[in-house]
Amino acid sequence: EAGVTQSPTHLIKTRGQQVTLRCSPISGHTSVYWYQQALGLGLQFLLWYDEGEERNRGNFPPRFSGRQFPNYSSELNVNALELEDSALYLCASSLVLYEQYFGPGTRLTVT
Amino acid sequence: GESVGLHLPTLSVQEGDNSIINCAYSNSASDYFIWYKQESGKGPQFIIDIRSNMDKRQGQRVTVLLNKTVKHLSLQIAATQPGDSAVYFCAERGNYGQNFVFGPGTRLSVLP
Repeated sequence: EAGVTQSPTHLIKTRGQQVTLRCSPISGHTSVYWYQQALGLGLQFLLWYDEGEERNRGNFPPRFSGRQFPNYSSELNVNALELEDSALYLCASSLVLYEQYFGPGTRLTVT
Repeated sequence: GESVGLHLPTLSVQEGDNSIINCAYSNSASDYFIWYKQESGKGPQFIIDIRSNMDKRQGQRVTVLLNKTVKHLSLQIAATQPGDSAVYFCAERGNYGQNFVFGPGTRLSVLP
């Protein structure tokens, strides 16, 4: 069974630009979660989607947004990038309310 | 607000010894807990979970203990191996239907 996949693996952007990260969940999983992990730090919850709806949102500014598609894949969009947005962005999927399975992450560097 | 923390940010153990990684949580309503392992450059990997109606659960070489009285969670790794070197995160689900809250992580280093 294929795991959670994310693309791209690495990304370099400059301040002020916009970025879109993508996530494909494990087949059959309806929930997708996004987390930000700054270097050497823990996971900060960004967004939770289930059945195409945003279920919960972490303490991040509105320039962080996303969506979930009918096939349950998801995108995370970050507008007006700032240096402190440099981090590993992790996507996880689950059957709703059960254990989450993580993808390998997208390493975003903002210069 | 909800918070999950760890007593020790780093832990070094000799190969073959047992490891104990601790985690404190603040939300007494949390009903589900997970331990994750994250190796360098990879996403977190599910290790073991426990529901609030249990106080102990065992897996292969790992045991999770839950003490709801003092809101404490621990992960025990038996016969620690070099491949166990990683950062370990605990996570709690604060309330049914809510997202997980992750602790800051403990780095486990296995010494030869």
